[in-house]
Amino acid sequence: GIQVEQSPPDLILQEGANSTLRCNFSDSVNNLQWFHQNPWGQLINLFYIPSGTKQNGRLSATTVATERYSLLYISSSQTTDSGVYFCAVEEGGKLIFGQGTELSVKP
Amino acid sequence: DVKVTQSSRYLVKRTGEKVFLECVQDMDHENMFWYRQDPGLGLRLIYFSYDVKMKEKGDIPEGYSVSREKKERFSLILESASTNQTSMYLCASSKYSSYNEQFFGPGTRLTVL
Repeated sequence: GIQVEQSPPDLILQEGANSTLRCNFSDSVNNLQWFHQNPWGQLINLFYIPSGTKQNGRLSATTVATERYSLLYISSSQTTDSGVYFCAVEEGGKLIFGQGTELSVKP
Repeated sequence: DVKVTQSSRYLVKRTGEKVFLECVQDMDHENMFWYRQDPGLGLRLIYFSYDVKMKEKGDIPEGYSVSREKKERFSLILESASTNQTSMYLCASSKYSSYNEQFFGPGTRLTVL
């Protein structure tokens, strides 16, 4: 099955800093999603991005399907950005999740 | 907006009890999923369903069963709860297509004593 690897596993930022999270996957995919899991455990959809670039406020994402990776950019980070960021790819109708990047933004 | 709701945010049960976790979605989605999330193990798929009365095993179905009698509702059943089923349970739904964005509920933290 498809392997999904995220890096870095942990990240500590000062408020206002920018960051890039990476997701590598081992095979071609039809679907790639980025999620933010808040401190209460809810998975919030950030992007549905099987290819190309999308932006939503301070967040943007780029997926280069031919090279099997996706990047999530967070600019001007805020303490509310803290939490775990997951990427997930579809295989056979099921989502395969990476292990996540735990982000901590300090005031 | 898609809304996926789960019956409880927190649940405490005793070993051997029968446990029902309910999930309801309001967007007429065909697909519904149950995951569990554990530290160090990530999210793992328990069961999923592509239609009413249909179910498919995921990666870790042992100890669980599911029921989908109506399109909007997908129930996860622990026939005889055990302590190793203490976990965070997440329900999700998506439209039926080859390119399906999944939407998640708020999760249920189940503790089995």
